[in-house]
Amino acid sequence: DIQMTQSPSSLSASVGDRVTITCQASQDIKNYLNWYQQRPGKAPELLIYDASNLETGVPSRFRGSGSGTDFTFTISSLLPEDIATYYCQQYHTLPPTFGQGTKVEVK
Amino acid sequence: QVQLVQSGADVKKPGSSVKVSCKASGGTFSSHTINWVRQAPGQGLEWMGRIIPLAGIANYAQRFQGRVTITAAKSTATAYMELSSLRFEDTAVYYCARAGGHGMDVWGQGTTVTVS
Repeated sequence: DIQMTQSPSSLSASVGDRVTITCQASQDIKNYLNWYQQRPGKAPELLIYDASNLETGVPSRFRGSGSGTDFTFTISSLLPEDIATYYCQQYHTLPPTFGQGTKVEVK
Repeated sequence: QVQLVQSGADVKKPGSSVKVSCKASGGTFSSHTINWVRQAPGQGLEWMGRIIPLAGIANYAQRFQGRVTITAAKSTATAYMELSSLRFEDTAVYYCARAGGHGMDVWGQGTTVTVS
């Protein structure tokens, strides 16, 4: 299985800060990489697909980039409603695998 | 807009089986796959398997092979995930999620299964 390694596992930032999460795949997955947001007690929601494409209705402060094995997820200006855990997920090869998650808290 | 509505919470004894349903309301399965993802308390997301409802073809994660069965009824736009030989560590929230050409873009509300 392809291993997805996210970092950091958690972070605390102030409202308005820029937040960056990285995700590394154990092998080349081209751009078959998605990012999800999971608010406490809720189901995950797709934010970004194919590494850099914003899902319909997702605010433009969310951005994804990268290809191959190294990917980055950015929130340009953190808002209180962005408190959540964020997961990367590859779908290049079955089984789809998720990173371990990054918990984002607001200071 | 398609919604996925899952069956309610369940409590099971170790060694028994559980069957969770996932109904697509407001639409059909179309050409999408239906995936099952679980989340143990305080843990991350784990893919269990998927089905292509129009073809009836299912794929499973190796660690669940032999214990999980995913089926779909096209006529009622309902998918099912049955997990057998339940263990305490199968206590989790089980989600169904639709996937098209890229990500899992529609998720069910989750079903809590407690093995106790």
